[in-house]
Amino acid sequence: KQEVTQIPAALSVPEGENLVLNCSFTDSAIYNLQWFRQDPGKGLTSLLLIQSSQREQTSGRLNASLDKSSGRSTLYIAASQPGDSATYLCAVNNQAGTALIFGKGTTLSVSS
Amino acid sequence: DTAVSQTPKYLVTQMGNDKSIKCEQNLGHDTMYWYKQDSKKFLKIMFSYNNKELIINETVPNRFSPKSPDKAHLNLHINSLELGDSAVYFCASSQDLGRREAFFGQGTRLTVV
Repeated sequence: KQEVTQIPAALSVPEGENLVLNCSFTDSAIYNLQWFRQDPGKGLTSLLLIQSSQREQTSGRLNASLDKSSGRSTLYIAASQPGDSATYLCAVNNQAGTALIFGKGTTLSVSS
Repeated sequence: DTAVSQTPKYLVTQMGNDKSIKCEQNLGHDTMYWYKQDSKKFLKIMFSYNNKELIINETVPNRFSPKSPDKAHLNLHINSLELGDSAVYFCASSQDLGRREAFFGQGTRLTVV
């Protein structure tokens, strides 16, 4: 059974710092991996999608990497801003593509 | 235009009642989902529908019945509500059974009293 773990559970950094959020999964037979952002009381916003054949994806200050064989992904946030404060969720799509399996998230707080 | 919209946003109801949550997507996607986020903020799949057909029913009590009248809609009906059903329910959609990114609605916070 696929399990997704995110470390750390919470992270506080000063504005301007570069940071890395970690995600690991137990079954490497995934279709793709998606990073989301969730603001308090809001829905999920898709940040990046990495297909299983890809190694990384970039969007603005965000860079996500995928090492499928070792069951790991990282989300790199450059030059963090207070507006980046949110919970970041990692989710893997099972090989049939029928469901996302989520980690419990990393809650990020960026102070000005 | 909202891509995935759910109604209502908040729902407070008494134990034993029956309620429905509606979901609509205007993205032209073939696949729709219901996810449940519990009090510890953990998100878990409940149902997956592809082209109006049920693909996954992830050990959800049969008091929960999804209905897909067409590809753009996936409604969730809940019978005989229990206290433990209190959670945030998210509808989502994607193209081609998850090959592309999933888009989520804003969630429905259900409180059973």
